[in-house]
Amino acid sequence: DQQVKQNSPSLSVQEGRISILNCDYTNSMFDYFLWYKKYPAEGPTFLISISSIKDKNEDGRFTVFLNKSAKHLSLHIVPSQPGDSAVYFCAARGTGSARQLTFGSGTQLTVLP
Amino acid sequence: EAGVTQSPTHLIKTRGQQATLRCSPISGHTSVYWYQQALGLGLQFLLWYDEGEERNRGNFPPRFSGRQFPNYSSELNVNALELEDSALYLCASRRDTGLEELFFGSGTQLSVL
Repeated sequence: DQQVKQNSPSLSVQEGRISILNCDYTNSMFDYFLWYKKYPAEGPTFLISISSIKDKNEDGRFTVFLNKSAKHLSLHIVPSQPGDSAVYFCAARGTGSARQLTFGSGTQLTVLP
Repeated sequence: EAGVTQSPTHLIKTRGQQATLRCSPISGHTSVYWYQQALGLGLQFLLWYDEGEERNRGNFPPRFSGRQFPNYSSELNVNALELEDSALYLCASRRDTGLEELFFGSGTQLSVL
């Protein structure tokens, strides 16, 4: 039972254009969402997060949007740079004893020069 | 400030053996999480330790176990290794003060032959 889904295993974007990565979740008890970036042979690094009481959070080139009614979040990267090429994971936090992060399967983003 | 450190970087075992993986969290972080990333898959939650206690475990068999020591470092033990246990094992830590971001180590690549 995949509670957090990233349906696009890969995405290619031209440098300078917008990258949009999508994530869907099924558990309405999730109350905090995060995006992580992972390079090969490294651990994931935190990118940006959003609380369930908000619908948008921006940090420089990165913006996360949350649509609670659709149980959908997205990460926008504008403008995309070749250094952004990595695997992006969305994650959702449960509550109480299930407060660990549940991760999606990841999307490989390739930004073409 | 040192990040999350994991050892060993690589570990090769044969089927039926036992593996021990170690993790040192960031100084001041009291929660430690273990995740498994099998090839081509997302991060699957294994175990969560906080203040020396196991808080939750994922959907893995009992031969996956661990502990957290008084200095908050942690150990993951995998008994009776099976071929499908071959994966990247990631440890993450979190300061238990409401910040939700997990900080990951670079992982231990376990290969079971």
